[in-house]
Amino acid sequence: IAGITQAPTSQILAAGRRMTLRCTQDMRHNAMYWYRQDLGLGLRLIHYSNTAGTTGKGEVPDGYSVSRANTDDFPLTLASAVPSQTSVYFCASSETSGSREGSGELFFGEGSRLTVL
Amino acid sequence: GESVGLHLPTLSVQEGDNSIINCAYSNSASDYFIWYKQESGKGPQFIIDIRSNMDKRQGQRVTVLLNKTVKHLSLQIAATQPGDSAVYFCAGLSGGSYIPTFGRGTSLIVHP
Repeated sequence: IAGITQAPTSQILAAGRRMTLRCTQDMRHNAMYWYRQDLGLGLRLIHYSNTAGTTGKGEVPDGYSVSRANTDDFPLTLASAVPSQTSVYFCASSETSGSREGSGELFFGEGSRLTVL
Repeated sequence: GESVGLHLPTLSVQEGDNSIINCAYSNSASDYFIWYKQESGKGPQFIIDIRSNMDKRQGQRVTVLLNKTVKHLSLQIAATQPGDSAVYFCAGLSGGSYIPTFGRGTSLIVHP
C-alpha cells in the first residue's frame, strides 16, 4: 500500500514560473490537506478538502490554489512562484473531516522540497 | 482558533533515559489531540492520540498525559533509544472541522 504519494520530491524553480505539486492517495480517504513546513514555524495549513469537489483555505493560502476533482488526487498549484514559497510541502489525508467519529489521524506523504530562486 | 505551542525547541537525553515532551494549547474547546514523530527527511507519522474525556493513554513505550485544567499535554517516552531521535509535534483538533493545528515541534536528540 503506497499511502500518500507526492511528486516531485524536489524542485528548483525560477521566480514567476508556475508549478504544480502532485499528491495522490490510495486509501480512499475523504479529507486531504496541504501543509508547508518552514524551520521554526512548524507545519502550517495551506488548503484542505473535506471531500471530492470541495476545498477550503487554511492558515496561509495566498499564492496557492488547489482542486479536488476526485477522491484520490489533490494537486497544489503555485501560479507565479516567489522566493518566500521556498519550503517543504507535505500532503496529507484522513478518513474523517467534520465528524466526531473516527480517529482523525493524518497520513502524510514524504514531502516535496521546493526552492524558488 | 487553535494555538498549540511547545515549551522547548530541543531536548537532549541519554539513551535509556525517559523523555518528556510538553505541549500547551489555548483553545478550551479542543477535544482531540495527536502526537506525531517526524524523522529527518520524512513526513510526520502518528504516534498516539488522546481525547478530552481521558487524562492518560498508553502505547508501546509512550504515554500521553492530558491536563485540561491548565491546557497542557505531554508525551512521555520510556527508555529512550537513538531511533527516537526526531522532531515531535502535537496537534489539536476542535469543533466540527477536525482540521488539526500543529505546534512548532520539539527536536529530541538521543545520545548513545
